[in-house]
Amino acid sequence: NAGVTQTPKFRVLKTGQSMTLLCAQDMNHEYMYWYRQDPGMGLRLIHYSVGEGTTAKGEVPDGYNVSRLKKQNFLLGLESAAPSQTSVYFCAVTSVQETQYFGPGTRLLVL
Amino acid sequence: DQQVKQNSPSLSVQEGRISILNCDYTNSMFDYFLWYKKYPAEGPTFLISISSIKDKNEDGRFTVFLNKSAKHLSLHIVPSQPGDSAVYFCAASGVNTDKLIFGTGTRLQVFP
Repeated sequence: NAGVTQTPKFRVLKTGQSMTLLCAQDMNHEYMYWYRQDPGMGLRLIHYSVGEGTTAKGEVPDGYNVSRLKKQNFLLGLESAAPSQTSVYFCAVTSVQETQYFGPGTRLLVL
Repeated sequence: DQQVKQNSPSLSVQEGRISILNCDYTNSMFDYFLWYKKYPAEGPTFLISISSIKDKNEDGRFTVFLNKSAKHLSLHIVPSQPGDSAVYFCAASGVNTDKLIFGTGTRLQVFP
């Protein structure tokens, strides 16, 4: 039982490149979330999903897209990476509305 | 406009003593509050929560207090241990919402 996993753990991109971050869960939770964590900013919600096939914008959605084609996977895409997207990205899942379980994070550096 | 605020970026406490971490919120619609703990290079882990119908919730060494009139909550750790050294985030959610709003975190260091 892996819980929540994130792929990759670390990535370096050049400005303008694209990439996809994968969040996978084996906990059968309905809700999935993508956050970014920056120094002094806490955790900010990028996008989230309340079920397979549904997505919604969070607090800082610009520059990101998401898809939830399967219940267990939530993808976060960067179409054209910018240095401002250098951050640590966390995925979280929940079924009980308020208690979220987080993945280990993906560290992204955009040069 | 930051709805959940942790005004102390860091706190240093001696082992065995009490650690008190504070959190303020501005949105009166918040009705559920949580504390998460985060070690370096790991994701946050849930620590303790409290509903707005309570003013205190206790779990072992951890106690969360809620003062609704002041829109303030605090996390007490007694006694503090070196393994408690981490960043602590408070978070809040409101009625009929699927989202948590996080504070900026407080780094706790417990020294021997």
